[in-house]
Amino acid sequence: AQKVTQAQTEISVVEKEDVTLDCVYETRDTTYYLFWYKQPPSGELVFLIRRNSFDEQNEISGRYSWNFQKSTSSFNFTITASQVVDSAVYFCALSEATSGNTGKLIFGQGTTLQVKP
Amino acid sequence: EAGVAQSPRYKIIEKRQSVAFWCNPISGHATLYWYQQILGQGPKLLIQFQNNGVVDDSQLPKDRFSAERLKGVDSTLKIQPAKLEDSAVYLCASSPGLAGLSRSEQFFGPGTRLTVL
Repeated sequence: AQKVTQAQTEISVVEKEDVTLDCVYETRDTTYYLFWYKQPPSGELVFLIRRNSFDEQNEISGRYSWNFQKSTSSFNFTITASQVVDSAVYFCALSEATSGNTGKLIFGQGTTLQVKP
Repeated sequence: EAGVAQSPRYKIIEKRQSVAFWCNPISGHATLYWYQQILGQGPKLLIQFQNNGVVDDSQLPKDRFSAERLKGVDSTLKIQPAKLEDSAVYLCASSPGLAGLSRSEQFFGPGTRLTVL
């Protein structure tokens, strides 16, 4: 069964602190894709990153970094030196690539990040 | 490049009334998705179109929800009659990839916030 779990419902940090958002997924497929989306108060989901199941290299983009570990079925997201503008709800999502799969996204329940000045 | 457009942004109705939402995807995007996001949860796929054909509507409550994508461009999602539990944000997304291309990024609109009283 497909499932994405984001155990942290809400996180509050002070500006400039580092913060890690956890994501654990379940899938029987060997080929799949993992995503992170950001949902600011405006409501629009903003794409942050996509990883495929065969690429376990960690990725860094500015203050953002992602740690993908197949052994623990985790795809964690770290924001370094957080800023107030990072305040949003962050979603981890899974898409399976089996034959006949439609490419639909299975979302976690989201983690609300509040960065205080 | 224009993003995914949705209207209205907000709608308040009484239970048993009907309501319709409109989505205009990014030009040229073959695949269109409608998601339902209940407060505090991640988005859940309702229906997916490829051009003007339905790819996946397994989670659409067909006794009250309907959707169409005429001419493979704009789409409308209708609820008739609405129930209290339909209160949610309805997100439209589009993707340049064909159904089955799980790696394709989905671009989301701002959503329509529906309140059913």
